[in-house]
Amino acid sequence: TQLLEQSPQFLSIQEGENLTVYCNSSSVFSSLQWYRQEPGEGPVLLVTVVTGGEVKKLKRLTFQFGDARKDSSLHITAAQPGDTGLYLCAGKIQVHNNNDMRFGAGTRLTVKP
Amino acid sequence: DARVTQTPRHKVTEMGQEVTMRCQPILGHNTVFWYRQTMMQGLELLAYFRNRAPLDDSGMPKDRFSAEMPDATLATLKIQPSEPRDSAVYFCASGLNGGELFFGEGSRLTVL
Repeated sequence: TQLLEQSPQFLSIQEGENLTVYCNSSSVFSSLQWYRQEPGEGPVLLVTVVTGGEVKKLKRLTFQFGDARKDSSLHITAAQPGDTGLYLCAGKIQVHNNNDMRFGAGTRLTVKP
Repeated sequence: DARVTQTPRHKVTEMGQEVTMRCQPILGHNTVFWYRQTMMQGLELLAYFRNRAPLDDSGMPKDRFSAEMPDATLATLKIQPSEPRDSAVYFCASGLNGGELFFGEGSRLTVL
């Protein structure tokens, strides 16, 4: 089982639609990051959230960290074909006194023109 | 333009052969992570180094995998012997004091 569960696994929408993807866990994270990955490349950081209840906006993307710091959501307004990619959440968790960064399996988004 | 460099980008090998993947982290970064990505499992953490010391390799099959940092500019991941189930994209990422991770472009491994 994944430490971080992302849903939906796949999402295909038309240009201009809004969407929300989710990242859930039973564990508490000291911080949570969202990355986007395009084919043939490594993930690239979009945002880091640290405080429970925090909301961050990046143009058309809105990120929210749950009050209990166990979950997060990413909302995209008026999606564009350029938003197509794999969206990954990653949480920093303490393992054996060290801070590991664990990833969810991702949501694969396709935005059709 | 600082970036993480991984070699090889692609590797096709036969079962039983040794595979070594290399990573040059961004100069000045003190943490290095190795991840394996497959469609089924997503990004799995294999090993994690801080200041060249291995801190967590619990996600790595110890009987065949080994990860080292011979110096601050080089991290290696070795598989010996390789098996078909090792086929995946292996990513190296570096960071500074637990902040943003910068990923390389990955090494795509196919074991026949």
